[in-house]
Amino acid sequence: EIVLTQSPGTLALSPGERATLSCRASQTVTSRYLAWYQQKSGQAPRLLIYGASSRAAGIPDRFSGSGSGTDFTLTISRLEPEDFAVYYCQQYGSSPRTFGQGTKVEI
Amino acid sequence: QVQLRASGPGLVKPSQTLSLTCTVSGASVSSASYFWSWIRQPAGKGLEWIGRVYTSGNTNYNPSFKGRVTMSVDTSKDQFSLKLTSVTATDTAVYYCARATMLTTVRGYEVGWFDPWGQGTLVTVSS
Repeated sequence: EIVLTQSPGTLALSPGERATLSCRASQTVTSRYLAWYQQKSGQAPRLLIYGASSRAAGIPDRFSGSGSGTDFTLTISRLEPEDFAVYYCQQYGSSPRTFGQGTKVEI
Repeated sequence: QVQLRASGPGLVKPSQTLSLTCTVSGASVSSASYFWSWIRQPAGKGLEWIGRVYTSGNTNYNPSFKGRVTMSVDTSKDQFSLKLTSVTATDTAVYYCARATMLTTVRGYEVGWFDPWGQGTLVTVSS
């Protein structure tokens, strides 16, 4: 099973700042099969990025993903108030599908 | 737009069976292009993929559930279901249903990313 480790656990930033979230895999993630999700309090996760760098439909271009192999990054170029949430990475290159433990982006 | 809604008992006794249903609207569980999945999240913790079912009834489960899980699909109602047997307090969680993209790989058809998700339903295991 691929273990995904996200860092930092919590990121304290202000609106307008840049957020850089890391997701490190215990083994190579095949074909950049990595997704990112945003989860706000009391809500279901929402898909942001798939294929490591492709934005899902309706996702603003301030969200971008990069990386390959075992190291992946989600970048939010300029934080908006609605971006303060928990972010999870998920790999789908190996069974079973697994998620990281999450990074909380807070003010 | 595609919407999913999970429903079922909010309280289950230890050793009994947890049963949930997900109702899909705006799409069909008969679609050949998607899998239908269950994912859970204990309070304050991360996400755990439970498994997936295909329109044909074909299933694939996370081995960590050690034979306790069964998923099925009802195409006449656009619903799919989860049964988890012999539950304990560690099975207390918010359970989400989600549509899973189907990937074509060298190993065949596999689960990709999850989109969209249903709103989740809290199941508490307690006597």
